Amino acid sequence: GQNIDQPTEMTATEGAIVQINCTYQTSGFNGLFWYQQHAGEAPTFLSYNVLDGLEEKGRFSSFLSRSKGYSYLLLKELQMKDSASYLCAVRALPRVKLIFGTGTLLAVQP
Amino acid sequence: SAVISQKPSRDICQRGTSLTIQCQVDSQVTMMFWYRQQPGQSLTLIATANQGSEATYESGFVIDKFPISRPNLTFSTLTVSNMSPEDSSIYLCSVVLRGGQETQYFGPGTRLLVL
Repeated sequence: GQNIDQPTEMTATEGAIVQINCTYQTSGFNGLFWYQQHAGEAPTFLSYNVLDGLEEKGRFSSFLSRSKGYSYLLLKELQMKDSASYLCAVRALPRVKLIFGTGTLLAVQP
Repeated sequence: SAVISQKPSRDICQRGTSLTIQCQVDSQVTMMFWYRQQPGQSLTLIATANQGSEATYESGFVIDKFPISRPNLTFSTLTVSNMSPEDSSIYLCSVVLRGGQETQYFGPGTRLLVL
């Protein structure tokens, strides 16, 4: 089967750095995605990792270790608008569907 | 990315009735999916909408309850049939764009409340 774990909630301070972890167990791994979802809105795509290593996109970076079944999303220079749920999703062959974790609700405080 | 629209954006329905949700994309897509997100929960895949053929349903979802159409590459409908309060949820259309890295992009969602 497939299993994805991420913390339920996190709190961080404006201007700081926060790391949101995601661990997964799946066969036929074919990529890991991070999405951001503000309350009442649809998820928006943040990052995609299929090979080991770090992908950087401005203030957001995502890391993947396939051997450890582990990923993290790193958010730097936190802003109040970063308060949202962050969803980790895994794609596994032979299907292209995504399996989502339960999401991490991040609260950024002044 | 692409512009993905869903109609209606929200609705309040009586139990026992049915609602059809439309999803329209302004670009060519390879795949279309329908998800459900119940209050406070993450996303659950209902089915993959296949062009010109029957949708592929996930475990726990059946065609009689959630009939899906996809007559062309850029349009799909999901019907929630014989609704009950347990069907109150956000229903999201998702697409994979042609020529992309197979990233899934989501529509704005349809917020459904069943009384």
